[in-house]
Amino acid sequence: DVKVTQSSRYLVKRTGEKVFLECVQDMDHENMFWYRQDPGLGLRLIYFSYDVKMKEKGDIPEGYSVSREKKERFSLILESASTNQTSMYLCASRQDRVRAEQYFGPGTRLTVT
Amino acid sequence: AQKVTQAQTEISVVEKEDVTLDCVYETRDTTYYLFWYKQPPSGELVFLIRRNSFDEQNEISGRYSWNFQKSTSSFNFTITASQVVDSAVYFCALFVYNTDKLIFGTGTRLQVFP
Repeated sequence: DVKVTQSSRYLVKRTGEKVFLECVQDMDHENMFWYRQDPGLGLRLIYFSYDVKMKEKGDIPEGYSVSREKKERFSLILESASTNQTSMYLCASRQDRVRAEQYFGPGTRLTVT
Repeated sequence: AQKVTQAQTEISVVEKEDVTLDCVYETRDTTYYLFWYKQPPSGELVFLIRRNSFDEQNEISGRYSWNFQKSTSSFNFTITASQVVDSAVYFCALFVYNTDKLIFGTGTRLQVFP
């Protein structure tokens, strides 16, 4: 079974703090993704990575950065957290473009106060 | 334009009823996949099924079945004899190979009452 884990289920941070969200997958998948999920807006892609050291902007990259130093780990960084970044953050991985199905982690519910 | 529409925002049924969740998609590409995911209250999206555009065969897995019709651009999901554990938000998604984009619908919240 594919397993994607995220470092925290719930996180509360203050405005202006630097926030790190970690994601680890154990299936040797090539590609990894970060989404945020908000009521009424569905899932929106923030960043993705095809391979180690590679990153691509998604639909809403502003205010975020990512890091992929190892194949199994993909980190999302909020450089200076703001209240409008309060959201559910979901990490996903997939083997490659041909198989296409993404496997998701349990999510991190981030609150910025 | 590529789009997924789940017109049903919320559905409530009583246990043992059958329920169908609708999904309509739009794409001009000929190579694409369609997915269904389940998101229970715990939050994790669980992959249920993938269908590719060249395979219109319907699929059944236990109480779940999927009906893919290219003529109407629909990929509907039926749960037979629903159970309380089926309560979740269900997402339909479209993957277009050429653009490498996975587009989600807005989800349908299913509540199954005992």
